[in-house]
Amino acid sequence: ELKVEQNPLFLSMQEGKNYTIYCNYSTTSDRLYWYRQDPGKSLESLFVLLSNGAVKQEGRLMASLDTKARLSTLHITAAVHDLSATYFCAGSNYGGSQGNLIFGKGTKLSVKP
Amino acid sequence: NAGVTQTPKFRILKIGQSMTLQCAQDMNHNYMYWYRQDPGMGLKLIYYSVGAGITDKGEVPNGYNVSRSTTEDFPLRLELAAPSQTSVYFCASSYTSGSTTGELFFGEGSRLTVL
Repeated sequence: ELKVEQNPLFLSMQEGKNYTIYCNYSTTSDRLYWYRQDPGKSLESLFVLLSNGAVKQEGRLMASLDTKARLSTLHITAAVHDLSATYFCAGSNYGGSQGNLIFGKGTKLSVKP
Repeated sequence: NAGVTQTPKFRILKIGQSMTLQCAQDMNHNYMYWYRQDPGMGLKLIYYSVGAGITDKGEVPNGYNVSRSTTEDFPLRLELAAPSQTSVYFCASSYTSGSTTGELFFGEGSRLTVL
């Protein structure tokens, strides 16, 4: 059974600093997703990582996937206040079962001036 | 572009009452899902459907029922509401196959309180 763990669960950063959120998963996941959620809002898709070594970047966020280590990272470069949100990673059981995503508990990011 | 539409957005129920959360998508997605989100717990899958007429249980199905008579609609029924069902419910859909990303698109959420 796929399990997804994120760390840290809470992250307070200063503007301009860099940091990384880690997402470990327990068994084979054939794709890895990152979502963003603002308070009281829905989830917005950020990245979909489909293969080992995949790297995707959008603005100050960069996501990567290492399937051998069962690890995905979300790297934040020169954080700004607008990045304050909760970030979720999710793995997929699609290859083995029916395609439902398993979510981590989320990392609540707070960027302070 | 409507995407995934959920109604109602907010609802207060008394213990023992029943209700249906509605979900509709206009993207011709094959998969649809219901998740619940409790504070600090991420999202947990209640039920999902891989196509019209086919549904299956997720991680936390007890106290809920679903049906999928059309591709577009995937209502979630709460029978005999309990305080433990107080949560935010998200409906999502995806076009999932071996060759697609399977990326989920979420509705705005339905905040349910059971008193």
